[in-house]
Parts: sequence; structure tokens; C-alpha cells
Amino acid sequence: GNSVTQMEGPVTLSEEAFLTINCTYTATGYPSLFWYVQYPGEGLQLLLKATKADDKGSNKGFEATYRKETTSFHLEKGSVQVSDSAVYFCALTRNTGGFKTIFGAGTRLFVKA
Amino acid sequence: EPEVTQTPSHQVTQMGQEVILRCVPISNHLYFYWYRQILGQKVEFLVSFYNNEISEKSEIFDDQFSVERPDGSNFTLKIRSTKLEDSAMYFCASSERMETQYFGPGTRLLVL
Repeated sequence: GNSVTQMEGPVTLSEEAFLTINCTYTATGYPSLFWYVQYPGEGLQLLLKATKADDKGSNKGFEATYRKETTSFHLEKGSVQVSDSAVYFCALTRNTGGFKTIFGAGTRLFVKA
Repeated sequence: EPEVTQTPSHQVTQMGQEVILRCVPISNHLYFYWYRQILGQKVEFLVSFYNNEISEKSEIFDDQFSVERPDGSNFTLKIRSTKLEDSAMYFCASSERMETQYFGPGTRLLVL
């Protein structure tokens, strides 16, 4: 079946540190891949996406590249800020008749000043 | 920028009571979804809806759940007889075509 596995948190970094959150997926065919972010007390916001192999999604300094050969979609940011503290969800969407999104467990990021 | 809205933001109910969670999807979107997130756990798919019918549902979405698009703008999730384990954050989402779903802020449901 389709599934998403992401690194367990929490991840604690100092401001301006480099961030990597690993994400791998299992899916038949060609899913679309997403990163969503959930700030404390808020809903899910789409952070970035990639819809085919080798696509790079980017937004607000975050990047992730769709790697079909390693079935991965790792999230990176060169210099994190305190305001990036949130839970990050890797997700995929497949056409299973209804385009449901399957989420990873989420990785909580704490950024210290 | 258009966004998905949900009401209420919080709902407290007694076990066995019916609740209706409301969502207003983005206006030109055609696909609608409900997800839930039990506290501290992952976001789980409940149901997808297209062309006025359910296109897919998960095993969570049993006979106690129903969805409806009663007019051109609202999309509702009804839980007929709530159980303690229905306590969760419920997210509505919509999409214009296939992949990219936009989520509302959620309704936090607490069943006592």
C-alpha cells in the first residue's frame, strides 16, 4: 500500500542552523509529494510540492526534491529561524479514485534563539 | 488569497450526541475531503467527495459518519452518535483538480 515515513522528532536546532527532515515513501505509480507545516494551534498549510520525478519544490527558503530512485522527498532549509518552529508533515497524494492524501507522522522542529 | 474555512473552531459534546462540522471550500474547487488528527497522532484520511458523491472513504468512515454538500458553498461532516474516541481535530480540504489539497484551520471536537 501507500505510506510515508519521516524522521522522528523532535528536532532541536539553533537559529541559522541547517535543517534536514528525511522523508521516504512507498507508492505504486507516480504520486505527488508534499510538505505541509502546522504552526502551534493552527491548521495545515501547504509548504511546497513536487508532482514528478526530479522536480524541486521550494517556498520560504525550504526545498525538497522528488527522488524516484531513492523514493525520497527530504525537506531542507539552509538557515532556520525561530519562526520556523512547527510540525512538518511529509505527504503523498495518489489517484486511488479519490486523491486522498497520506501523511507521515510529522516531525516537530524547535528552533532556539 | 482564497482559503478554506471551518466552523465551529471548537465543539464540545456529550457522548451519543450528533454533531455537524461545517466547511466552506475554496469556491472554484471541485474535490472535497475530510481528515482527522487525534491529539499527537498523524493526520488520517476520512472521505473524499466529488460530483455530489463519495469517491473514496477509509475504514474509519463507518455508518456513524456522513457527508453532504447541502448547497453550492458548504460541505458538512455529520457524526450521528459521537463516541469518546471521536475526539480529534477535524480538517476539511478542497482541491481544484487532483493533487494539491488546501486545508482549513480545523474544528477541535471534544466528546465527553
